[in-house]
Amino acid sequence: NAGVTQTPKFQVLKTGQSMTLQCAQDMNHNSMYWYRQDPGMGLRLIYYSASEGTTDKGEVPNGYNVSRLNKREFSLRLESAAPSQTSVYFCASSAGGNSNQPQHFGDGTRLSIL
Amino acid sequence: QKEVEQNSGPLSVPEGAIASLNCTYSDRVSQSFFWYRQYSGKSPELIMSIYSNGDKEDGRFTAQLNKASQYVSLLIRDSQPSDSATYLCAVTGYSSASKIIFGSGTRLSIRP
Repeated sequence: NAGVTQTPKFQVLKTGQSMTLQCAQDMNHNSMYWYRQDPGMGLRLIYYSASEGTTDKGEVPNGYNVSRLNKREFSLRLESAAPSQTSVYFCASSAGGNSNQPQHFGDGTRLSIL
Repeated sequence: QKEVEQNSGPLSVPEGAIASLNCTYSDRVSQSFFWYRQYSGKSPELIMSIYSNGDKEDGRFTAQLNKASQYVSLLIRDSQPSDSATYLCAVTGYSSASKIIFGSGTRLSIRP
């Protein structure tokens, strides 16, 4: 019973490098989300995808791009990593629609930018 | 004004007592309300959902919703050291049915 799977779990990058964080869900959910969580800041929404084929900016989209590859997968890309992007990144999914259903989270990716 | 507000804590409660966590929200048309528990270094885990005014009980947990006062709370009875965690309140946003707004969380510490 996998739920939401994120890869990798840990990553260290140098400033200017690029990378893609992967997320997949097996709950047949329509909506998927990317958050970052920094100490004392709570969860901040980066991008979300209400349904397959759509993506929208959240609260802190600058420096990131996303791709909703299919219904199961939603990736987050850092084109040119900066130290300010050091954070824990969580992917989540929900049934979507009228959004009476809660979000379910992956285990997170801990990303450090040197 | 933040859309979802929680006292950051830490809230210290003796073992066996009732822990009371509070959350206020700004959007009157919010429909769905959730409480998540997050242990240090782990991801948020859903513990309660509530959609209508009143109380909803699940084991040692009770969620309370008052839409008129724009207030939602979580009570934890017979608090255990394993309840020590950060508790996040989440509310559906108004601008898109698919977005959920999270509070910054309340850190709860249960002292033996």
